[in-house]
Amino acid sequence: GESVGLHLPTLSVQEGDNSIINCAYSNSASDYFIWYKQESGKGPQFIIDIRSNMDKRQGQRVTVLLNKTVKHLSLQIAATQPGDSAVYFCAEKPYGNKLVFGAGTILRVKS
Amino acid sequence: DTAVSQTPKYLVTQMGNDKSIKCEQNLGHDTMYWYKQDSKKFLKIMFSYNNKELIINETVPNRFSPKSPDKAHLNLHINSLELGDSAVYFCASSLTTGGNQPQHFGDGTRLSIL
Repeated sequence: GESVGLHLPTLSVQEGDNSIINCAYSNSASDYFIWYKQESGKGPQFIIDIRSNMDKRQGQRVTVLLNKTVKHLSLQIAATQPGDSAVYFCAEKPYGNKLVFGAGTILRVKS
Repeated sequence: DTAVSQTPKYLVTQMGNDKSIKCEQNLGHDTMYWYKQDSKKFLKIMFSYNNKELIINETVPNRFSPKSPDKAHLNLHINSLELGDSAVYFCASSLTTGGNQPQHFGDGTRLSIL
């Protein structure tokens, strides 16, 4: 697949287990954060977002945690499914409408 | 119905040529963007337009010229293509410029320079 040869961090999980993908962001002025999922041959797809005045937000099977003290963001996926296999990106908004993307993490789900 | 659509999906051309990529969004959004994703999957913003006006230009060579004929369209024209321009180019849109809203992406145009 497209991930062959990519030197991104990779998380391998068993189907049905929970996944945690981590992201360190760089700008303490960032007030908005988004997680995106990118499947092979597709564009980044919005998963969940969180504003800086929150430390946790839940969606369907996903939870985002924000720790502003250490500038850390995480995405938790419950009961991971094969369809969750993709590259996951965090993005921060330091000002205006500019989004700065992290490097990406490959999630591989083993059946 | 595709929300953000780009054409073409693949573009293979020779160094020195001029090419255009088109983008249309049917979400009624005011703001549109172009991003470049390199071979390491690193995604970086190039341009942002709000209601046909340029608001972000991220130190992109002037061989790249975006054009927004109306707020639903943002095209990217590239002159004198170079090998380093090979990448996947993504168009995106968001509701407005201000505030905290997600950007919605198209499926990309894979540009390969021979």
